[in-house]
Amino acid sequence: IAGITQAPTSQILAAGRRMTLRCTQDMRHNAMYWYRQDLGLGLRLIHYSNTAGTTGKGEVPDGYSVSRANTDDFPLTLASAVPSQTSVYFCASRERENTEAFFGQGTRLTVV
Amino acid sequence: GQNIDQPTEMTATEGAIVQINCTYQTSGFNGLFWYQQHAGEAPTFLSYNVLDGLEEKGRFSSFLSRSKGYSYLLLKELQMKDSASYLCAAVDSNYQLIWGAGTKLIIKP
Repeated sequence: IAGITQAPTSQILAAGRRMTLRCTQDMRHNAMYWYRQDLGLGLRLIHYSNTAGTTGKGEVPDGYSVSRANTDDFPLTLASAVPSQTSVYFCASRERENTEAFFGQGTRLTVV
Repeated sequence: GQNIDQPTEMTATEGAIVQINCTYQTSGFNGLFWYQQHAGEAPTFLSYNVLDGLEEKGRFSSFLSRSKGYSYLLLKELQMKDSASYLCAAVDSNYQLIWGAGTKLIIKP
């Protein structure tokens, strides 16, 4: 693994199903983030974690949950998917405050 | 509230110069990032400004005026590969990134 990796790269999901998007980084970055990107709205923060063991809510947290059991992994779970959660999801990490964020390649999720 | 404004779309000619503006209103300010995002790909880092002035990096330069809440990204000698979206992000008092919606830059031959 080099950098930050997301899985799956794309998924079609039936409404009401549970889904976990995976994110792993090997840069030992403290902070990690989940964003969704929708046309015309830019990147919106779902949840974040400033360090292992802590998480926080972003701008659009409803319907999503995260955990940060260790430094490398930051999974995002949709407990019961709805069509409005159709989006491109990006995971990102930063070494510390005011350093640049590195992004995973994204997960394109379609909820039908 | 916190807000980042940048134009939705711009068009420029190959070989020319283009300036993409960004204005921001945030609770506290700890710097401003510019990212490039090609269609279907992840954003990649271009520049970071925290002090007033111009930072030059090859064909790309970024300017910041903290008193005016304003930044711009200047792209010189445009190439077709510069066709992409350019995202502006301000760092607020909690060191969170506040993102603009992005400017889609179209380069014509």
